[in-house]
Amino acid sequence: DSGVTQTPKHLITATGQRVTLRCSPRSGDLSVYWYQQSLDQGLQFLIQYYNGEERAKGNILERFSAQQFPDLHSELNLSSLELGDSALYFCASSVTGGASGYTFGSGTRLTVV
Amino acid sequence: AQSVTQPDIHITVSEGASLELRCNYSYGATPYLFWYVQSPGQGLQLLLKYFSGDTLVQGIKGFEAEFKRSQSSFNLRKPSVHWSDAAEYFCAVGAPGLTGGGNKLTFGTGTQLKVEL
Repeated sequence: DSGVTQTPKHLITATGQRVTLRCSPRSGDLSVYWYQQSLDQGLQFLIQYYNGEERAKGNILERFSAQQFPDLHSELNLSSLELGDSALYFCASSVTGGASGYTFGSGTRLTVV
Repeated sequence: AQSVTQPDIHITVSEGASLELRCNYSYGATPYLFWYVQSPGQGLQLLLKYFSGDTLVQGIKGFEAEFKRSQSSFNLRKPSVHWSDAAEYFCAVGAPGLTGGGNKLTFGTGTQLKVEL
């Protein structure tokens, strides 16, 4: 157990739907990062939050959004889902910035049918 | 912007043989460098990291990596591979000097390691 908790572990949903992925960072970590992992794109950085504020944005689609709450847990919202959104979504956390390395959760596998 | 290249998509080694996985990075200064391992259906686990100092760093599970500035490389090595080492390995680069945010890690495309018994 890495200390980073992601729920749910698996999610199957239909095209056009909206889902929310949840991440609880390791105790004491202030930064949360979201990554998407797919066979064709590899590990793609989506977005980072630090202590409730957005700090960096990567290849995140406009249909996707995220936030970090006062208790430091984070949610990634995916809407108007398409088949191509099927992927593993990882959350990672770190104490401050990512320079010290991340601790990853076990991921949420999203399947859009 | 930083980038990472892992030139080998797949590598197969025999159990007990030595292993070297290649990683080349692009960054304007000395970066922070990492190796992660991912087993099927699992998240990524940190094997080792380099920030500064001794260019040979030791990690978990008997892995080590050497930072070579002149070659912009950070290759991962293990003297004797075990069947349980079969997994996907990712090299990552981060930019030092930034705290609190904006300091994402950039990952390579990964190297899939197969171990033959």
